[in-house]
Amino acid sequence: GNSVTQMEGPVTLSEEAFLTINCTYTATGYPSLFWYVQYPGEGLQLLLKATKADDKGSNKGFEATYRKETTSFHLEKGSVQVSDSAVYFCALGAGGTSYGKLTFGQGTILTVHP
Amino acid sequence: DVKVTQSSRYLVKRTGEKVFLECVQDMDHENMFWYRQDPGLGLRLIYFSYDVKMKEKGDIPEGYSVSREKKERFSLILESASTNQTSMYLCASSLTVSPDTQYFGPGTRLTVL
Repeated sequence: GNSVTQMEGPVTLSEEAFLTINCTYTATGYPSLFWYVQYPGEGLQLLLKATKADDKGSNKGFEATYRKETTSFHLEKGSVQVSDSAVYFCALGAGGTSYGKLTFGQGTILTVHP
Repeated sequence: DVKVTQSSRYLVKRTGEKVFLECVQDMDHENMFWYRQDPGLGLRLIYFSYDVKMKEKGDIPEGYSVSREKKERFSLILESASTNQTSMYLCASSLTVSPDTQYFGPGTRLTVL
């Protein structure tokens, strides 16, 4: 079946540091890949997505590239801010008759200190 | 602006009670989903619905049921609440059958005593 594995957290960084959160997946066919963010006390919201190999999703300074050869979709940001403190989820959507279902990773807690 | 609302942010119930969690979306989306979120386990799909009165089991349906009588409303029912159902419950909706952005509600934190 489909699965998503994220790097173990929590991750603690100082403001303006470089961020990488690793995400690898297992899926048949050609899934779409997503990063969601959950700020404290809120539901999840889409951060970025990519629908085919070599696509780069980007939003709010975050980027991730769909790498089919390494089955990865790592999230990066060049300079994090305190306001980026949140839980980050990698997810995949397999298409076909999945009715839009997404498979989520376990989430990575990011804390950014001033 | 798209919106998914859930009936309660916090809920406390007793073991054995019947619990209803309500979710409403105003985007005319076809698909609706119920997840539970637990630390270290991410989001796990309980049930989903791709049309009115249609429902499919997700990965962890045991102890839960759902109802979708109208397109905009999707209810999660705990027939007899147990302490291991203490969790954060998240509702989401999406437009198409293709892998697509899901829009989430704010969540309901349920505590079963």
